[in-house]
Amino acid sequence: NAGVTQTPKFRVLKTGQSMTLLCAQDMNHEYMYWYRQDPGMGLRLIHYSVGEGTTAKGEVPDGYNVSRLKKQNFLLGLESAAPSQTSVYFCASSALYNEQFFGPGTRLTVL
Amino acid sequence: AQSVTQLDSQVPVFEEAPVELRCNYSSSVSVYLFWYVQYPNQGLQLLLKYLSGSTLVKGINGFEAEFNKSQTSFHLRKPSVHISDTAEYFCAVNEGYSTLTFGKGTMLLVSP
Repeated sequence: NAGVTQTPKFRVLKTGQSMTLLCAQDMNHEYMYWYRQDPGMGLRLIHYSVGEGTTAKGEVPDGYNVSRLKKQNFLLGLESAAPSQTSVYFCASSALYNEQFFGPGTRLTVL
Repeated sequence: AQSVTQLDSQVPVFEEAPVELRCNYSSSVSVYLFWYVQYPNQGLQLLLKYLSGSTLVKGINGFEAEFNKSQTSFHLRKPSVHISDTAEYFCAVNEGYSTLTFGKGTMLLVSP
């Protein structure tokens, strides 16, 4: 079992560029999440999904879009990157009411 | 709405000393509680969880936490820390929804 994997591990973008972060899980979990982590801010939920084909907004959704076309994958998109989106992004998955399993993170820098 | 307060942003401690990391939450309903650890440049890893039953929960690496409903607290303890315990620790609460609310984290700094 690979658990939760994230692609890519690192990325540098210029302001205005777009990119997609891929999250994959092999635990057959219904729930998947995208967080961003910034110093002193803890983890903040961007978007989440409670099942294939569903998505919902979290605490800080502006500037991001997501899709869950397959149960095992959850994509996070930045249509027009801004320096404020420089962060470490974590994906997680879980079964209901249970612990979330986290990926290793993607470190994104927007210049 | 649920919220989580980790009262200390940093806790410095000497090796082999005991440590307590504090976590308080605000909720009027039954909750599920979690502690996660994050080592440098890694994702979060579950230390322990409280879903129901005994209020004293034991986790990995010798950590334990006690759920106190009247004080709405879930403090994390270890009787003797090691250098390798240096990491950031996050408390999280679930009110029965599909999302967790995380505290801002406590950095545990263990020195020799």
